Amino acid sequence: GQQVMQIPQYQHVQEGEDFTTYCNSSTTLSNIQWYKQRPGGHPVFLIQLVKSGEVKKQKRLTFQFGEAKKNSSLHITATQTTDVGTYFCAGWGAQKLVFGQGTRLTINP
Amino acid sequence: DAGVIQSPRHEVTEMGQEVTLRCKPISGHNSLFWYRQTMMRGLELLIYFNNNVPIDDSGMPEDRFSAKMPNASFSTLKIQPSEPRDSAVYFCASSLRQLHSYGYTFGSGTRLTVV
Repeated sequence: GQQVMQIPQYQHVQEGEDFTTYCNSSTTLSNIQWYKQRPGGHPVFLIQLVKSGEVKKQKRLTFQFGEAKKNSSLHITATQTTDVGTYFCAGWGAQKLVFGQGTRLTINP
Repeated sequence: DAGVIQSPRHEVTEMGQEVTLRCKPISGHNSLFWYRQTMMRGLELLIYFNNNVPIDDSGMPEDRFSAKMPNASFSTLKIQPSEPRDSAVYFCASSLRQLHSYGYTFGSGTRLTVV
């Protein structure tokens, strides 16, 4: 079945450093979504990418969808302590959303 | 809108007991999803409904798990009998789905502990 792999599993950075998480699918995706889950919280929808090669920005967050629509990345510039949490990608294919395992981001203030 | 509402927030039960988790989706959303989250397995889709009809229950681990959606504003996930390995956080999510998928809105989850 469809699989969505996410790396790295964990990332620890100093506040102010950049952070990137990568997402790869075994199949071509109709779209890809990104979610953030704060410690003890629930996943919160951040954004959806649909078009091949699409790039979207939300303040310090930059999201990319690969040309082949099989991979995606989330880049955070100059991390802040409020960015702490687990970031999930989720690929839409075969009529359902499949979540990656997530990248847990911790930040040293 | 109050968002997706789940109850209870926490549930501690003894092995063998029946557990019922409840979910009220966002009004107007026509898709509802039940997920289970554990450290080992991450977020797993258990079952989802479109317009109150179960579409895919291939993620339901065993016959001990059942889910219903009697109307557009209410769904339940039942585990009978419960086992310690069922301990996890169970999330309900809803979405508006027409021709394309939209972002999911998750509830705050039910943390289930089976002892």
